[in-house]
Amino acid sequence: TQLLEQSPQFLSIQEGENLTVYCNSSSVFSSLQWYRQEPGEGPVLLVTVVTGGEVKKLKRLTFQFGDARKDSSLHITAAQPGDTGLYLCAGGSNYKLTFGKGTLLTVNP
Amino acid sequence: GAGVSQSPRYKVAKRGQDVALRCDPISGHVSLFWYQQALGQGPEFLTYFQNEAQLDKSGLPSDRFFAERPEGSVSTLKIQRTQQEDSAVYLCASTPLAGKETQYFGPGTRLLVL
Repeated sequence: TQLLEQSPQFLSIQEGENLTVYCNSSSVFSSLQWYRQEPGEGPVLLVTVVTGGEVKKLKRLTFQFGDARKDSSLHITAAQPGDTGLYLCAGGSNYKLTFGKGTLLTVNP
Repeated sequence: GAGVSQSPRYKVAKRGQDVALRCDPISGHVSLFWYQQALGQGPEFLTYFQNEAQLDKSGLPSDRFFAERPEGSVSTLKIQRTQQEDSAVYLCASTPLAGKETQYFGPGTRLLVL
C-alpha cells in the first residue's frame, strides 16, 4: 500500500510569516500533485511535479520534488489570510491519485 | 464555464436508508472519478469510469456501494442500507481524456448518517 504522510497536520501562523509543509511517501510515484481545499469545496490543483529534484514556483508558493521522487515540500513566503485552507499532496500512478491527510493552514490577519 | 457539479450538497439519512448521489462532470470529459473524504482525512479513491465503462471499482468499501454512468456523462453513486461509518464527503472529479490529466473536482456531497 502506497502511503503519503503530511506534516505538520495543523499550522497556525500570522500574516507575513513564511512556512513549509512536507509530504513524504513510502513509495515512488510517477507524479506528485499539490492541491488546496477550502471548506465546502473540492480540492483545486496548484501544481504537478514529475521530475526528481524539480522546483516549481507559483507566485509566493515554491514546490520541490525530492531527488528520489518520494518526498515533496511546499514553501509559502509572506503568508496571507487568503492562503488559509487544507493543503493536500497526492501521488499519481497512472490514473489513480493517492492523497495524504493534508495540512490545515490558518493564516491570521 | 460550468465546472463539475454535485447534488445534493448535503444529505442526512437514517441508518438503513438508501441514498443516491449525483455527479455532473464537465461537458465532454471522458473520465470520471468518485472519492470518499472522511472528516480530517484526505480523499480516498472509490471508483473510475472511462465513458460508460467502470474500469476500476477497487476502492468501493463494500457491496453496499454501487456506481453507474450509463450514458457516459452523469454518474450516480448509490449507497444501500447506509451505516454511520458511511458519513463523509463524497467528491466527484472528471478529466478530459483517459484520466492521467488534471482532475477537476466538484464541491462534494456531505452525507451524514444518523
